[in-house]
Amino acid sequence: AQSVTQLDSQVPVFEEAPVELRCNYSSSVSVYLFWYVQYPNQGLQLLLKYLSGSTLVKGINGFEAEFNKSQTSFHLRKPSVHISDTEEYFCAVSVGPGRRALTFGSGTRLQVQP
Amino acid sequence: EAGVAQSPRYKIIEKRQSVAFWCNPISGHATLYWYQQILGQGPKLLIQFQNNGVVDDSQLPKDRFSAERLKGVDSTLKIQPAKLEDSAVYLCASTLGLADTQYFGPGTRLTVL
Repeated sequence: AQSVTQLDSQVPVFEEAPVELRCNYSSSVSVYLFWYVQYPNQGLQLLLKYLSGSTLVKGINGFEAEFNKSQTSFHLRKPSVHISDTEEYFCAVSVGPGRRALTFGSGTRLQVQP
Repeated sequence: EAGVAQSPRYKIIEKRQSVAFWCNPISGHATLYWYQQILGQGPKLLIQFQNNGVVDDSQLPKDRFSAERLKGVDSTLKIQPAKLEDSAVYLCASTLGLADTQYFGPGTRLTVL
């Protein structure tokens, strides 16, 4: 079975500074990887996804992530954060044909300070 | 394009009572998921439907939880009887096909007292 580990429950950062949210996964088969953001009292919105091809994936709102198969990681990065990026971020993985249900990490709270 | 709709948005019940949640996926989406998100955790899959058939319900506590998707469109998730540990946000998601992006509804926040 697959699992996802988000190493940091909270990441404080100053506005306009770069940020990296870490995500590691474990799986015995090939995976698809996702980052979602959760807004208060709303569902999850997809930021970006890796299915195949280039290991550097660009998403919405200036976020990007890099798939590293040897380190089984899929870290999320943004070169310059804004106050409005203060939200909960979830890394997720899905495996296998036919069943695309997501296995989520426990989430990382990004706290952008002025 | 309308998103995934869920109702009610909030529900408060006493333990041992019953409760039902409703989900209307994006039009044309064949795959529907129910997830449970306990406070401070990531969502966990409860059940996955493909049209009106169950693909995966291995993590559904079948002694108290049930779900159906009649006619392959709307879905209902029921808890009977509820326990304190069922307090969570219940999220519904849908996809056009199995390999596509999952779109999530706003969720139903359940509080069991």
